[in-house]
Amino acid sequence: RKEVEQDPGPFNVPEGATVAFNCTYSNSASQSFFWYRQDCRKEPKLLMSVYSSGNEDGRFTAQLNRASQYISLLIRDSKLSDSATYLCVVNRWRALTFGSGTRLQVQP
Amino acid sequence: GAVVSQHPSRVICKSGTSVKIECRSLDFQATTMFWYRQFPKKSLMLMATSNEGSKATYEQGVEKDKFLINHASLTLSTLTVTSAHPEDSSFYICSARDKNRGDTEAFFGQGTRLTVV
Repeated sequence: RKEVEQDPGPFNVPEGATVAFNCTYSNSASQSFFWYRQDCRKEPKLLMSVYSSGNEDGRFTAQLNRASQYISLLIRDSKLSDSATYLCVVNRWRALTFGSGTRLQVQP
Repeated sequence: GAVVSQHPSRVICKSGTSVKIECRSLDFQATTMFWYRQFPKKSLMLMATSNEGSKATYEQGVEKDKFLINHASLTLSTLTVTSAHPEDSSFYICSARDKNRGDTEAFFGQGTRLTVV
């Protein structure tokens, strides 16, 4: 079983739509959690950290459920510029473990 | 945010030759850097953890004699792919954390696209 699992997509949504991504992780000792965004042939960039209390940054909302070992990302009012691959990332000790990513394509 | 510079961004080499990739933290000190490899449409896979002043820690299945890592200073780690073969063609990317910022954001280099012909 992969340590971090994500639906690969692609998710094809129209501009303005709300889209949600889910992720599960297998190691209960994982310490911190993130969503990264990766554009084609580019390095990953931090989108947001994920906390049990849930956190919001503009149109983006992230949620962590430690009991279920489940992480989510909600994007509201999708923009064309949101098209990218979204990586669920889990930290245990110093190294990050990446999910395979969920590809989002926002269409005009 | 902090800057990690990786060089070269793209390299094409012949089978059997060696290629060195550099990863520098430009405005912070990184006692630990991480090397990842990403195949097309696949996840980033951790190859090894590079520790300043000591030996790197390799993930299972990664050949340490093939992927030589040197972390000679707090701002520089290098990955050398020795005797490269076409199956080593991949996107290699390093990351580092600012030891003064704790275990929060990891900063990534721009990545190196290696093509072995």
